[in-house]
Amino acid sequence: LAKTTQPISMDSYEGQEVNITCSHNNIATNDYITWYQQFPSQGPRFIIQGYKTKVTNEVASLFIPADRKSSTLSLPRVSLSDTAVYYCLVGGWGSSASKIIFGSGTRLSIRP
Amino acid sequence: DTGVSQDPRHKITKRGQNVTFRCDPISEHNRLYWYRQTLGQGPEFLTYFQNEAQLEKSRLLSDRFSAERPKGSFSTLEIQRTEQGDSAMYLCASSLDVWGRPYEQYFGPGTRLTVT
Repeated sequence: LAKTTQPISMDSYEGQEVNITCSHNNIATNDYITWYQQFPSQGPRFIIQGYKTKVTNEVASLFIPADRKSSTLSLPRVSLSDTAVYYCLVGGWGSSASKIIFGSGTRLSIRP
Repeated sequence: DTGVSQDPRHKITKRGQNVTFRCDPISEHNRLYWYRQTLGQGPEFLTYFQNEAQLEKSRLLSDRFSAERPKGSFSTLEIQRTEQGDSAMYLCASSLDVWGRPYEQYFGPGTRLTVT
């Protein structure tokens, strides 16, 4: 079971870059790392997914070191609308769906 | 692409009553998931369909819960003899089996159930 550990909460200010790190020491060879964002009273929204090195899309970047035991979600120049809960998950082909665990996530608060 | 829709958005029921929720996934998605989420916690997996086949069920899914996905399209989640502990947000998600994109799920807005 690939459990993840991430900070319970983080605070930052508008315009700053925010990095949220997730630990997944027991990640399996075929596991991908996926991040979701959730606003209150809404379902989670897929942000980014990666296997190794760096992945970038229009919303965020995901940095994965060579040992893949951790990953960092980077949000450039955050705004108030980035205030949300962010979840890190690991799982991949052959993973049981029941073992894709959201955990409690990281509650990110952005201040003006 | 109209996204994943869920109906109703809110449901208030009395303890002991049965409730049924509906989820309409993104049309080309072959996988459909149900989750339950309580305040301050992340979504907890309940069950998952690949097309019309229910492939996994969580131990959280007691015998009062049943889910169906006839014809591999929409899905229903029924809770019989509701209890106050069933009060939660019930989330539906769908995904498409695409190489290199495992578990990129698209979630609906959820159905908030309150059992009084």
